[in-house]
Amino acid sequence: DTEVTQTPKHLVMGMTNKKSLKCEQHMGHRAMYWYKQKAKKPPELMFVYSYEKLSINESVPSRFSPECPNSSLLNLHLHALQPEDSALYLCASSQVEGRYNEQFFGPGTRLTVL
Amino acid sequence: SQQGEEDPQALSIQEGENATMNCSYKTSINNLQWYRQNSGRGLVHLILIRSNEREKHSGRLRVTLDTSKKSSSLLITASRAADTASYFCATEGSNDYKLSFGAGTTVTVRA
Repeated sequence: DTEVTQTPKHLVMGMTNKKSLKCEQHMGHRAMYWYKQKAKKPPELMFVYSYEKLSINESVPSRFSPECPNSSLLNLHLHALQPEDSALYLCASSQVEGRYNEQFFGPGTRLTVL
Repeated sequence: SQQGEEDPQALSIQEGENATMNCSYKTSINNLQWYRQNSGRGLVHLILIRSNEREKHSGRLRVTLDTSKKSSSLLITASRAADTASYFCATEGSNDYKLSFGAGTTVTVRA
C-alpha cells in the first residue's frame, strides 16, 4: 500500500467551529508532514513529526494544533480559524525524516473558512 | 519558505512535443526533487537528483543539475495530454531536511 489518505476531502467551517483533519499511511513511514497550499502557490511546510514526536513547527499559529497518535496517523486540529486560512491542506509521509527521502503526498483537504 | 524560482510560469505545447522547465535556487542543497501536481490534488514525486549528480533519467523525464549555477532543468519528452499538470522543484537544504518548493510551472499539453 503506497497511499496516503486524507479525510475529509472538503471542509467548510465557521470561524468559531472546531474541526479536525485526518491523515493516514500504512507504508511504515516514520516521518509525517503537514503542508498548506494556497491557490496557484507552492506548498508551505507547517509541521513535521518524526517517530511520533513533533520535530518542526514552522511558526504556525496556535489555532492549528497537530497530533500524531501513532506511527500511521496524523491529525490537524483546527479552532477559531480565519478566512485567510482557507487553503488546500496536504499531508505527506516519508520513510524517515532525513536526507534523500522522497515524500508521498495525500490528495489534500480543501478547507473553506467562512 | 520558498527558495526555488521556476521558469516559465506557464507552458503550452502540442502533444508529442518536448517540454522544458527550469528551476533556480539560492542556498546550498543536499538534493533537488521534482514533483507533479494535477489540478487541486496531491503532489506526486517524479525524480530526485543528488547534489553530486549532474543528470538523471526516468522514463520520459530528464533532469539536470548545475550546482555552480544553482539551477536545474526538467525535460519531458514526447508529451501526452496526461502530462498536463503543475510541476514543482523542491530543494532539500544542506543544513536541514526540509523541502522548499519553487513557485511551479503550469504545463498544458494540447491534443
